[in-house]
Amino acid sequence: QLQLQESGPGLVKPSETLSLTCTVSGGSISSSSYYWGWIRQPPGKGLEWIGSIYYSGSTYYNPSLKSRVTISVDTSKNQFSLKLSSVTAADTAVYYCARYGGNGRNAFDIWGQGTMVTVSS
Amino acid sequence: QSALTQPASVSGSPGQSITISCTGTSSDVGGYNYVSWYQQHPGKAPKLMIYDVSKRPSGISNRFSGSKSGNTASLTISGLQAEDEADYYCSSYTSSSTWVFGGGTKLTVL
Repeated sequence: QLQLQESGPGLVKPSETLSLTCTVSGGSISSSSYYWGWIRQPPGKGLEWIGSIYYSGSTYYNPSLKSRVTISVDTSKNQFSLKLSSVTAADTAVYYCARYGGNGRNAFDIWGQGTMVTVSS
Repeated sequence: QSALTQPASVSGSPGQSITISCTGTSSDVGGYNYVSWYQQHPGKAPKLMIYDVSKRPSGISNRFSGSKSGNTASLTISGLQAEDEADYYCSSYTSSSTWVFGGGTKLTVL
């Protein structure tokens, strides 16, 4: 059974770069037709799609975050990563990684448990 | 890109049916049958309930159903149960090759 697990610092200073990793277990990140994505949720607010990477390496970003976001894949470690630069308090949120396109479903069908990231000095 | 529009809250009594709407544009909801719905209980990760507008993953109760008309998608929950109380989010693929979520709807079971 495929599982996703986010990891990374829980506290990041303003203006620095937030870096998170999502480890995929129970399956290969290189499997065809999957997108691997990052979604975040500020405290008490709704979900916001950050970006996704296709198994081939093509990336897609939320236009509002595009200038600050980089998503990459490390197939040797079965992981994909998020980097968000120049963070501010507005980037404080629970960050989720998720799979899109599994089993032919056009949806985020498997999610990690989420990791809270606080931006504060 | 703008978030899809959902009502902030809906409520219903046990056994009743409720419908949550999700309004977008012809560039997202109206343009693709790639609308999905997620249930989120407090402190938990979202859970996929409906994909491709109206399909249910295995294990999801048939009390949950989805539909779409024009630029508006809908999630209907019939036979409301206490455990259905949660936040619900819609999502759609867009013509810009991006994804967008709705603002979320809090369902209260009275």
